[in-house]
Amino acid sequence: DAGITQSPRYKITETGRQVTLMCHQTWSHSYMFWYRQDLGHGLRLIYYSAAADITDKGEVPDGYVVSRSKTENFPLTLESATRSQTSVYFCASSASVPGELFFGEGSRLTVL
Amino acid sequence: GNSVTQMEGPVTLSEEAFLTINCTYTATGYPSLFWYVQYPGEGLQLLLKATKADDKGSNKGFEATYRKETTTFHLEKGSVQVSDSAVYFCALSSSKNDMRFGAGTRLTVKP
Repeated sequence: DAGITQSPRYKITETGRQVTLMCHQTWSHSYMFWYRQDLGHGLRLIYYSAAADITDKGEVPDGYVVSRSKTENFPLTLESATRSQTSVYFCASSASVPGELFFGEGSRLTVL
Repeated sequence: GNSVTQMEGPVTLSEEAFLTINCTYTATGYPSLFWYVQYPGEGLQLLLKATKADDKGSNKGFEATYRKETTTFHLEKGSVQVSDSAVYFCALSSSKNDMRFGAGTRLTVKP
């Protein structure tokens, strides 16, 4: 199906483990984004990408790594998970900026 | 830097009541402004947008006007329905490759 999909939808891990959240879009949008959603903070931008092999930090990048070797994929890796990274993570894509963002359904991550 | 401040709520209304959710922004230049809605268990989806001063965005009975002089983009609906219960986010985007969101306002509409 066309759209933007995230996996896994739910993940429980332990402090110190590496975790990768996947994001795939079928529209060939140039721009892709990772946000985290926390109560009281709304959505905060972690990283974004303007095209394949082009990424840049957002508002809260510490502890996260991204890559974009293909236009359609934008994985987010937590190299050594911490409890403060317990959150709901949303991937989004856009054909242009400023423009409408299309969001995935989110990945709920719990770090014990 | 760019930022958005919106009333956090929660807001509880009866069906057919009038809704206003306040949004104030800070930005350099001339950003585009958006309202997104998040239904339970889902990602955000665009509700409406305005790209320049005095523009009015509208969709599904919701409206918001881009007021540059007061730096506001308040969301309004004349008669809310139970199905409007959701979290609403005000957002802005400039020429940079990012979009900044407010903290979100949870709306509950009771029959």
